[in-house]
This record gives sequence, structure tokens and C-alpha cells, in this order.
Amino acid sequence: AQTVTQSQPEMSVQEAETVTLSCTYDTSENNYYLFWYKQPPSRQMILVIRQEAYKQQNATENRFSVNFQKAAKSFSLKISDSQLGDTAMYFCAFMKPLGAGNMLTFGGGTRLMVKP
Amino acid sequence: NAGVTQTPKFQVLKTGQSMTLQCAQDMNHEYMSWYRQDPGMGLRLIHYSVGAGITDQGEVPNGYNVSRSTTEDFPLRLLSAAPSQTSVYFCASSYSRPGLAGGGTQYFGPGTRLLVL
Repeated sequence: AQTVTQSQPEMSVQEAETVTLSCTYDTSENNYYLFWYKQPPSRQMILVIRQEAYKQQNATENRFSVNFQKAAKSFSLKISDSQLGDTAMYFCAFMKPLGAGNMLTFGGGTRLMVKP
Repeated sequence: NAGVTQTPKFQVLKTGQSMTLQCAQDMNHEYMSWYRQDPGMGLRLIHYSVGAGITDQGEVPNGYNVSRSTTEDFPLRLLSAAPSQTSVYFCASSYSRPGLAGGGTQYFGPGTRLLVL
């Protein structure tokens, strides 16, 4: 079974600064997918970024980028130029590939507070 | 295109009552799932479906039933509610093949908050 660990329960950052959220996972799979989801106070789960394990290039989406270290089983999220609207819970999630129902295993989350 | 919709938004039940949480998607996704989120925790998988007529258990299936008679709908039934089922419930859907651009990405509904007294 897969496990996902987010070791930072809470973090804070000043507006316009950069922050990195950590995620490690444990799996025996070689091909898999990793995701970061954002959950604002509205509770809606919003996809931030995804990474395919077979791709060496780190995924980026505007101000969001990941540092994917497959050998170390590490998948951190970097948020640049932090904005007040980035305040939310952030969940790291793991997914096995094809035929497994696209089931996600989530970490426990990191609560991020962006301060003005 | 409404995406994934869930009803009701909030429900209060008494112990022993039954109810059905509704979930529908209009994206023609093959896969649908139900997750629960307890305070301070990540989401955990209850049941999932890979297509109409096919369902399977996830990590925490006890006390819940599901069925999938159409591609669009995936209701979650609580047979006899217990206080331990107080949680926020999320429905999600996705295409079956992660290899396609965007495929495999789960799209979540807005959640149903359930309180069992």
C-alpha cells in the first residue's frame, strides 16, 4: 500500500515571498502520478499541479512548481510570489496508473497562511 | 457544463437513520469515487466505480453502499448512520486513462457535510 506524508502541519509566508511545502511518499510502483490539491475555506478541492513519474522534467503552473525527486520519493511544491488567495490547506496525493480506478492516496495536509 | 455536483450540501441525521448522498457528473467520465474527510485529515477513499455496473471498495467502506446504474450518477448510501460517520463527503470523477492529457486527474464536487447525532 502507498503512504503519503506531509511533515509540515502548518506554515506561514509573507505576501510576495516564496514558500515550499514538503511531501514524501512510499511505493513499490515505478509508474505513478503525483498531485497537489488546494482546499480553501470553501472546502472545494482544486487541482494545483500534477506530475507523471516517468517525466524527468518538473511540472510548473504559473507561480506553482514542483521539485520531483523520484529516487528520494519526494515531491515538494514551491509557491512563488505568494498571494493572499493562496491561503488554504494543501494536500499531496499519489495515484497508481491504469486500471486501478484512478484512486488517490492523500497526505494529511499542510495549512498555509499567507500574511499581508 | 456543471462538472461534479453533490446534494445535499449539509445534512443532520440521527443515529440509525439512513440516507443517500447524491453525486452526478456531466463530463462523461468513466471513473467515479467517494471520499470522506475527517477534521485535520486528508481524504480517504470509501468506494469507487470504473464504469456503469462496476463498483469496488476503497480504504474505509464499512457502513456504506454504492451502485452505478448510469455513467452520470454515483450515489452513496448510509445504511444505519453512526456518529463515526460525521464527516465531509466528496465525490470525484475522472477519465480512465491517465496517459491522455489531463486524463486521470480527479475532479471533485463541492462536498456534503454530514453530522450524525
